[in-house]
Amino acid sequence: DARVTQTPRHKVTEMGQEVTMRCQPILGHNTVFWYRQTMMQGLELLAYFRNRAPLDDSGMPKDRFSAEMPDATLATLKIQPSEPRDSAVYFCASGLARGLRETQYFGPGTRLLVL
Amino acid sequence: GENVEQHPSTLSVQEGDSAVIKCTYSDSASNYFPWYKQELGKGPQLIIDIRSNVGEKKDQRIAVTLNKTAKHFSLHITETQPEDSAVYFCAASMGSNYQLIWGAGTKLIIKP
Repeated sequence: DARVTQTPRHKVTEMGQEVTMRCQPILGHNTVFWYRQTMMQGLELLAYFRNRAPLDDSGMPKDRFSAEMPDATLATLKIQPSEPRDSAVYFCASGLARGLRETQYFGPGTRLLVL
Repeated sequence: GENVEQHPSTLSVQEGDSAVIKCTYSDSASNYFPWYKQELGKGPQLIIDIRSNVGEKKDQRIAVTLNKTAKHFSLHITETQPEDSAVYFCAASMGSNYQLIWGAGTKLIIKP
């Protein structure tokens, strides 16, 4: 049963610290998405990659956030320095583009709390 | 750019009754409309989708309808059960080369 995995599942840190979240997409998928979910903003797209190339990161605060895909099996999202307003659930999703349809398969999320 | 509005934000129905969630979109070029279900503590999962060349699609107790002229689409759940309680998201896109534009979500509560 192929799944997207995310680590860590939970993270509590202090303001100013660096946070790194990792995602392993489903093998064979060529698109990776990073979303942030809060009660107030719903699902926000932060960045996405196709064939490891960044296609859109306009939703991401560039001064503190960065997203990379070092290889096809790993995507990372970093926050440096972290702030309390970054507290949210961060989801990674992967997909395989097929014509009109690209189902996104979500991981379980990383629950981040910045104190 | 595309904008997707979803209503209601919360829907409470009696077990066994039907539930309907509605979404409207702004860009007539959108041609793919998926619905995702998010259970507590989990990531969203695709439950049904529809393309713009189809007016209705059914899968057991769930169905989606699309009105291209009015630019709205709806999710229908019949004979609701406790396990249908979740947050449901609609989305729209112009195809796999474009990102999904998400609605704000509807929290569906099934009352026993």
